[in-house]
Amino acid sequence: KQEVTQIPAALSVPEGENLVLNCSFTDSAIYNLQWFRQDPGKGLTSLLLIQSSQREQTSGRLNASLDKSSGRSTLYIAASQPGDSATYLCAVEQGGSEKLVFGKGTKLTVNP
Amino acid sequence: KAGVTQTPRYLIKTRGQQVTLSCSPISGHRSVSWYQQTPGQGLQFLFEYFSETQRNKGNFPGRFSGRQFSNSRSEMNVSTLELGDSALYLCASSLAGSSPLHFGNGTRLTVT
Repeated sequence: KQEVTQIPAALSVPEGENLVLNCSFTDSAIYNLQWFRQDPGKGLTSLLLIQSSQREQTSGRLNASLDKSSGRSTLYIAASQPGDSATYLCAVEQGGSEKLVFGKGTKLTVNP
Repeated sequence: KAGVTQTPRYLIKTRGQQVTLSCSPISGHRSVSWYQQTPGQGLQFLFEYFSETQRNKGNFPGRFSGRQFSNSRSEMNVSTLELGDSALYLCASSLAGSSPLHFGNGTRLTVT
């Protein structure tokens, strides 16, 4: 059974800092891995999707990497801003089934 | 393009009642999936529909059911509500397998 773990559960940083969020999964037979952000009381916003054959994806100040063999992914956020404050969720999809297994998330607070 | 629309946003029901939640996917998206989010369990997969057929089902009791219509709109139904069914129910749509999921803002269900 696939399990996804995100460490740390919460992170508080000053504005401008570069930071890394971690995600690990137990079964390396994944189809893809997605990073989402969730603002309080809202749904999820897709940030990056990495196919199993890819090593990384970049969008603006965000960079996500994937190491399938070790069951790890990282989300790198450059020059953090207060608007980046949210909960970041990692999810893996297996077998193209659209069934995602989520981690519990990392709650990020960026202080001005 | 309009995003994923979920109605209603909030619902309060009493134990034993039943409830129906609605989801309208992004135009052109044929896959709709449903997730339950609670503070304790996080996000858990309920089921996924593609072209009116249920392709995957999560580990939830038979009280949870869903369907998809020919226009891709989807509904989920929960019968004989229990206190533990209180949660944020999120609907997501996508073009096809291995494409990013787009989430709605959810329906907050409170069972008293």
